[in-house]
Amino acid sequence: DAGITQSPRYKITETGRQVTLMCHQTWSHSYMFWYRQDLGHGLRLIYYSAAADITDKGEVPDGYVVSRSKTENFPLTLESATRSQTSVYFCASSDRRGSYEQYFGPGTRLTVT
Amino acid sequence: AQRVTQPEKLLSVFKGAPVELKCNYSYSGSPELFWYVQYSRQRLQLLLRHISRESIKGFTADLNKGETSFHLKKPFAQEEDSAMYYCALSPLTQGGSEKLVFGKGTKLTVNP
Repeated sequence: DAGITQSPRYKITETGRQVTLMCHQTWSHSYMFWYRQDLGHGLRLIYYSAAADITDKGEVPDGYVVSRSKTENFPLTLESATRSQTSVYFCASSDRRGSYEQYFGPGTRLTVT
Repeated sequence: AQRVTQPEKLLSVFKGAPVELKCNYSYSGSPELFWYVQYSRQRLQLLLRHISRESIKGFTADLNKGETSFHLKKPFAQEEDSAMYYCALSPLTQGGSEKLVFGKGTKLTVNP
């Protein structure tokens, strides 16, 4: 299912570097989300967006920045990566007219050394 | 605040045995509840939602508002059911809320 894609799929970066994770969806869904998945914590919402140019913080937003200039793209930027941001990052999208089901991307495994 | 609790991090059963993955939630209003599943090397996907009252891959889940639970059940587990299972809640508020609150997940292993 190529409806929602993430790039890169794997990334290794150094502490202090800026890194951007990309998310693209082809369904024109209004809502997009960024989660991180960590052992013992499950999925935690970082940021979400209700539409282009509308974003809001989730549960764990510190150290992350998002933008949404186009409906189909929702990049996540780590301004100065830290080891604690080593995680698997999932992007998801949702159609407001539906039943709030979210469709997930394949994930990006990020390692900060 | 909304909260979803999955008390078991790991659950191991034998093929053909019944399986129940527990999920409890905390929310003062009327939530919509989901079970998501993540098979090995695959993306997270919706398994079922309480509002549909459907059975998917032999799994069912009943919302018990009195006990604030939404346990996932299957009478006869199969090896292909081995996966990570997440319970999730979406608060139904006026104007709608698209956010999901996830539990920490239960890793189910079905042994041959």
